Amino acid sequence: GAVVSQHPSWVICKSGTSVKIECRSLDFQATTMFWYRQFPKQSLMLMATSNEGSKATYEQGVEKDKFLINHASLTLSTLTVTSAHPEDSSFYICSARDDWREVSTDTQYFGPGTRLTVL
Amino acid sequence: AQSVTQPDIHITVSEGASLELRCNYSYGATPYLFWYVQSPGQGLQLLLKYFSGDTLVQGIKGFEAEFKRSQSSFNLRKPSVHWSDAAEYFCAVGPRGGRRALTFGSGTRLQVQP
Repeated sequence: GAVVSQHPSWVICKSGTSVKIECRSLDFQATTMFWYRQFPKQSLMLMATSNEGSKATYEQGVEKDKFLINHASLTLSTLTVTSAHPEDSSFYICSARDDWREVSTDTQYFGPGTRLTVL
Repeated sequence: AQSVTQPDIHITVSEGASLELRCNYSYGATPYLFWYVQSPGQGLQLLLKYFSGDTLVQGIKGFEAEFKRSQSSFNLRKPSVHWSDAAEYFCAVGPRGGRRALTFGSGTRLQVQP
């Protein structure tokens, strides 16, 4: 089946530093990927839609300059949290939509998530 | 705007008992409907999905869900719960067509008693 990986699975950084999170579709092409954020004991909230070869679309309230998204290839999207602060600590999950398989049903496959802790 | 309601924040059942997790959605048309399961600190695993056709959908791990258009519901069921089913369950809806994200419910945490 379709597999999505994320790297790293967890990261601890100091306040003010930047952190890059990778999301890869391992056995399929994904023109569209999504980035979600999940706070403890809460649901997933969409942050942005990442489109290969074009600018990401951010949800209302999500700072574009703080959460930089690059979708440089059909299998890789990256989320960079710039100048991270403790309030950015969260669980970040990406999902990818297979361009060919089940295309008519918009099935998305989720990565295992990245736990970010900002000290 | 579309929305998903999971009215039960936390449910506890005994191992071997039956389970039903509720999900109601609000959407202008019939959306795509999904159930995902998340173990602590893990990503989401797709249990089942509904797109069209038979309103009773079978999924993995012995789960099933029934789409009821008249009630705007997509409840998840399992006849006999196993201890390994303890996790967080999310119902989600997605618009038909277009490359758009899913909207998730707030989740239901399932605890299984021995």
